[in-house]
Formats: sequence, structure tokens, C-alpha cells
Amino acid sequence: GAGVSQTPSNKVTEKGKYVELRCDPISGHTALYWYRQSLGQGPEFLIYFQGTGAADDSGLPNDRFFAVRPEGSVSTLKIQRTERGDSAVYLCASSSYREQGPNTEAFFGQGTRLTVV
Amino acid sequence: GEDVEQSLFLSVREGDSSVINCTYTDSSSTYLYWYKQEPGAGLQLLTYIFSNMDMKQDQRLTVLLNKKDKHLSLRIADTQTGDSAIYFCAENAGGYQKVTFGIGTKLQVIP
Repeated sequence: GAGVSQTPSNKVTEKGKYVELRCDPISGHTALYWYRQSLGQGPEFLIYFQGTGAADDSGLPNDRFFAVRPEGSVSTLKIQRTERGDSAVYLCASSSYREQGPNTEAFFGQGTRLTVV
Repeated sequence: GEDVEQSLFLSVREGDSSVINCTYTDSSSTYLYWYKQEPGAGLQLLTYIFSNMDMKQDQRLTVLLNKKDKHLSLRIADTQTGDSAIYFCAENAGGYQKVTFGIGTKLQVIP
């Protein structure tokens, strides 16, 4: 597609439930990132994929959070046993990573607004 | 640790210049960015500056970097109502886009 697509755009779930958030990156982008933006805050890094592998998952808050990118394109962020504190906008971004030289621009999707009630 | 600070709110009149300031703590930062976020929209990269530069100009945007004081600013000339948005300062140490964002400055442009 033309840009980074995230689905659903909004998700309301009950505390304790499991949710999956999907990200379709820009075609050909090998790098994919997940960020979380709480109300009134800037985005916080969660995880970075280079191809199929998670190169850096240091931002995942705890083991309830997990993300996959099995074919190096679409990624799914999975949250188990959701808590009210997980409510936030989850942003996905992709870029055409270069090993050397300046970073290429990361393009962000519009996010999935998760509300845990 | 990494920390990026910026003021929460700025109000300017249409046609005036806006200056949004930011301080950061990570001296190893290689790139510093300004992102724009409009209501209901994704983050948009406005501009970035490499850490060995002092200034970068791009049309109405001027970025100034004082590496000694770890201070970054974004000047928007001839501010328009369409510039109303939240502006995020961000940094990273290079390699990939593990970016640390500030809390965002809400710019309000008064017609």
C-alpha cells in the first residue's frame, strides 16, 4: 500500500482479555517498529524488527507483550491479560533500513487506539 | 539515561514566527528530529539534523542545534493556522529508529 496501515483503528476490550494489533508496513521496508503513545505523552519505543527477527525488544514493558513478523512484512503486536494501564495508541512505523549512512525516514501509521475497560 | 524535555504549549498569531525549544540528555545522540502530529493523524517527520551540524534550513523551517548545551530548537517562519499541531522533539544514537521522543509541544496558531 501507499503508507503504513494499522488495524483496527480502535479496539475496546475488557480487562483480562487478549488482543492482537496488526501493522502492514510500506512494501519493501525491511525495518518495522512498534511504539506506544499514552495520553498526553510522546511515543515510547517498544520493539524493532529487521526482517523477521526482533532486533531490539527492550521497550516491551513485560512478558504480557509479544510481537511477531513471521514473513518479514506484516507484524502483529499481541497483548495478553490486558490491564487498564495498557490503554494507549499503539503506533507502527516502517523504514528502508541502511546498515551504514544516515537513517532513512521512518513512516508512521495512524495507530490503533486501545481502550481497556 | 535518555530524556527529552520540551515545553507543553505555545500560542502565536498567524504570520508571526514560532520557536519551539527542546533539551536532551544523551550526548551520544547522532540524529535529532522534529515530528508533527495533527489530531487523528500519524506522526509526520518534519525535519532532522545530524549532530555535527549547527543549523539546517528547509523552507519555512529552521533547526538550530547547540550540542554543548544539548539544546534543539525549531523555528517556523510565517506561521499559518495549518501549522497548529503537536510538535515532538526526538533523538536517537543512530543505527536504527529507536527514537526517544519528548512529551510534545502543542502549537496553537491564532488567526
